[in-house]
Amino acid sequence: EAGVAQSPRYKIIEKRQSVAFWCNPISGHATLYWYQQILGQGPKLLIQFQNNGVVDDSQLPKDRFSAERLKGVDSTLKIQPAKLEDSAVYLCASSLGNRLTDTQYFGPGTRLTVL
Amino acid sequence: GESVGLHLPTLSVQEGDNSIINCAYSNSASDYFIWYKQESGKGPQFIIDIRSNMDKRQGQRVTVLLNKTVKHLSLQIAATQPGDSAVYFCAENLPYNNNDMRFGAGTRLTVKP
Repeated sequence: EAGVAQSPRYKIIEKRQSVAFWCNPISGHATLYWYQQILGQGPKLLIQFQNNGVVDDSQLPKDRFSAERLKGVDSTLKIQPAKLEDSAVYLCASSLGNRLTDTQYFGPGTRLTVL
Repeated sequence: GESVGLHLPTLSVQEGDNSIINCAYSNSASDYFIWYKQESGKGPQFIIDIRSNMDKRQGQRVTVLLNKTVKHLSLQIAATQPGDSAVYFCAENLPYNNNDMRFGAGTRLTVKP
């Protein structure tokens, strides 16, 4: 079974530029998550989708971050404009459903460096 | 070898020894906990979970212990192997906040051959 796919794997931009990340979850997984992982820290949830609806975006900095999952499959996360403190690995995860015990499967992440 | 999670983020053990990784979680209302393993350049990988109505759960070579009295979680790895070298995170579920899983800072385990 293919895992969660993310692209690009690496991205370097200058502050105030825009950037977008793409995620393709495991086939059949209804729930999709975006996490931000700053170096030396654990992942922090940014947004959770159930199919194409947002379940939780309470920790998403909505002034600059946006995410969509229009057809309930692939998702994109955008940062506009980027700040230095946005340098991090952006992880996408998916799970079969949103029950507590539905295991989240993570992709390899996109490492963003903002100069 | 044993670590104290956030206070000692690095644990080094000899191959074949048992490892104990500790985690102090933040909220007494948390009802579900997961240990993840993250290798360099990869996303976290589920290892084992435990509900708050249990105090011990065993998997293959791994055991998780939960002490709700002191809000402490530990991961024991038996006969540690070089492939176990990674960063280990504990995560707690906050049931009052949309079942938000909150990750700790992690402990880096290094296995010496």
